[in-house]
Amino acid sequence: RKEVEQDPGPFNVPEGATVAFNCTYSNSASQSFFWYRQDCRKEPKLLMSVYSSGNEDGRFTAQLNRASQYISLLIRDSKLSDSATYLCVVHAGGTSYGKLTFGQGTILTVHP
Amino acid sequence: NAGVMQNPRHLVRRRGQEARLRCSPMKGHSHVYWYRQLPEEGLKFMVYLQKENIIDESGMPKERFSAEFPKEGPSILRIQQVVRGDSAAYFCASSPRREEAFFGQGTRLTVV
Repeated sequence: RKEVEQDPGPFNVPEGATVAFNCTYSNSASQSFFWYRQDCRKEPKLLMSVYSSGNEDGRFTAQLNRASQYISLLIRDSKLSDSATYLCVVHAGGTSYGKLTFGQGTILTVHP
Repeated sequence: NAGVMQNPRHLVRRRGQEARLRCSPMKGHSHVYWYRQLPEEGLKFMVYLQKENIIDESGMPKERFSAEFPKEGPSILRIQQVVRGDSAAYFCASSPRREEAFFGQGTRLTVV
């Protein structure tokens, strides 16, 4: 089983649509959770951290369910510029320090 | 405050040559991580360094790969006797803390 598992997609949605991505992680001791965005042939960029209480940043909402080891990202009112690969990222904490574990990514294409 | 700087951006090496990838972290950041992204795959952790110390090298291949982060100068990822399977994008990230990572633009290594 992969440490961080995502549906690779691709998701093809029209502008204005709402789209949700899911992610599961296998290490129950994981401490920190993130969504990163990666554009084609570019570096990953932090989109948002994910907290148990849920957090929202504009059109983006992230949720964490520790009991189910499940993370989600919701994008409302999709824009063409949201087209990218979305990476679910987990940090194990403890002595693993800087080691981030990435999912393989979910590809999103927003079309006119 | 410049971001994480990696050079070169593109590197072509013949099989058997050495590849040296450089990474200068963001000012004030003391944690450096190296990740590798093979074509069509997610990012994989390779090594985590602080100045003059390797903290976690659990993702480094056992042979041909080494990394350092000297007291002065950039972090270096060195690949000896490159093979075609080493062709990938190598990303460096730095952090002021243990888990929030800011990525450089990457070095795309092509082995011919």
